[in-house]
Amino acid sequence: DVKVTQSSRYLVKRTGEKVFLECVQDMDHENMFWYRQDPGLGLRLIYFSYDVKMKEKGDIPEGYSVSREKKERFSLILESASTNQTSMYLCASSPSSRNGETQYFGPGTRLLVL
Amino acid sequence: QKEVEQNSGPLSVPEGAIASLNCTYSDRVSQSFFWYRQYSGKSPELIMSIYSNGDKEDGRFTAQLNKASQYVSLLIRDSQPSDSATYLCAVRPPQAGTALIFGKGTTLSVSS
Repeated sequence: DVKVTQSSRYLVKRTGEKVFLECVQDMDHENMFWYRQDPGLGLRLIYFSYDVKMKEKGDIPEGYSVSREKKERFSLILESASTNQTSMYLCASSPSSRNGETQYFGPGTRLLVL
Repeated sequence: QKEVEQNSGPLSVPEGAIASLNCTYSDRVSQSFFWYRQYSGKSPELIMSIYSNGDKEDGRFTAQLNKASQYVSLLIRDSQPSDSATYLCAVRPPQAGTALIFGKGTTLSVSS
């Protein structure tokens, strides 16, 4: 079974804090993704990575950065948290395969920024 | 802008009925299509994937793909209250190493 884990289920931070969200997958997947999900807006891609030390901006990268130093770990960093970054954050991973890269999701981190 | 469109619902069906969920996509050359189920407060979980035109069945679920019409659907037979969730349609762009494009989801409510 594919397993994607995220470091926290719930997180409360203050405005201006630096926030780290960690994601680890155990299936040797090449691709990893960070999304945020808000009511009425669906899943929005923040960043993704298709290889170690590689990153690509998604649809809403502003205010975020990422790090991928090892294949199994993909970190999302909120440089200076703001209240509009209160959201559910979802990490996903997928293999690189010709037939379509099914994405497997972690359990999510619900972040509240006060 | 590549898009995946779904009716947000809610779609309400009685227990035992067939639920039909629909999705259209804009990129004609898309090759892979996925349906995810998401319970409230939980993360999406994969239900089915489909790559070729036609139907693909898995238990009570049937995915249907029509590439000419750029249309993919999910049928749930004998709907159960436990099927009540939001269903997300996702499409893989043709370029390798890219993220799936997700629709905003259809909320299904099955009443007993």
